[in-house]
Amino acid sequence: GQNIDQPTEMTATEGAIVQINCTYQTSGFNGLFWYQQHAGEAPTFLSYNVLDGLEEKGRFSSFLSRSKGYSYLLLKELQMKDSASYLCAVRDSNYQLIWGAGTKLIIKP
Amino acid sequence: SAVISQKPSRDICQRGTSLTIQCQVDSQVTMMFWYRQQPGQSLTLIATANQGSEATYESGFVIDKFPISRPNLTFSTLTVSNMSPEDSSIYLCSVETGTSGANVLTFGAGSRLTVL
Repeated sequence: GQNIDQPTEMTATEGAIVQINCTYQTSGFNGLFWYQQHAGEAPTFLSYNVLDGLEEKGRFSSFLSRSKGYSYLLLKELQMKDSASYLCAVRDSNYQLIWGAGTKLIIKP
Repeated sequence: SAVISQKPSRDICQRGTSLTIQCQVDSQVTMMFWYRQQPGQSLTLIATANQGSEATYESGFVIDKFPISRPNLTFSTLTVSNMSPEDSSIYLCSVETGTSGANVLTFGAGSRLTVL
């Protein structure tokens, strides 16, 4: 079966750095997405990785290792507004999106 | 990216009734996707709605329970029929747009349904 694993919940301090991991086992691979979802709102696109390596976008970076079936989202200089759930999703060989259950990130002052 | 208007934003429904959710996109799109997100869980695709053809349903979802209309390239509806408390969930419509070299999903704001 296809599976995406990410931690259920993480806590970090304002101003710090946090890394949210995502491991996947899917039938083929056609890209990995990270979405942010604030409570009561819809998910919004953060990043996309299809090749190995690091993609940086401001305070957020996303890393991919296809050989290890592994990605992480790195958030720097954490702000209170970063408190949200972060969803990892992989597009498989049939171009279906497989979603992780999401990681709830709690930022403390 | 596309802008999606979805309504209702929330509703409280009685068991056995049906509710129709509407989704309007500000541009023409081939496919529209309907998702369900149950409390504390991730997104589950219900069906893909194509204009001019029957919707394609995922395993575990059937047309009688979740009929979908797609009358044109900017609009779709999802009906949740004969509701039970297990249907309490957030329902999201979405479309794909090309962003950052990928087909990225843009979501409507969601419809939070509570079935009593």
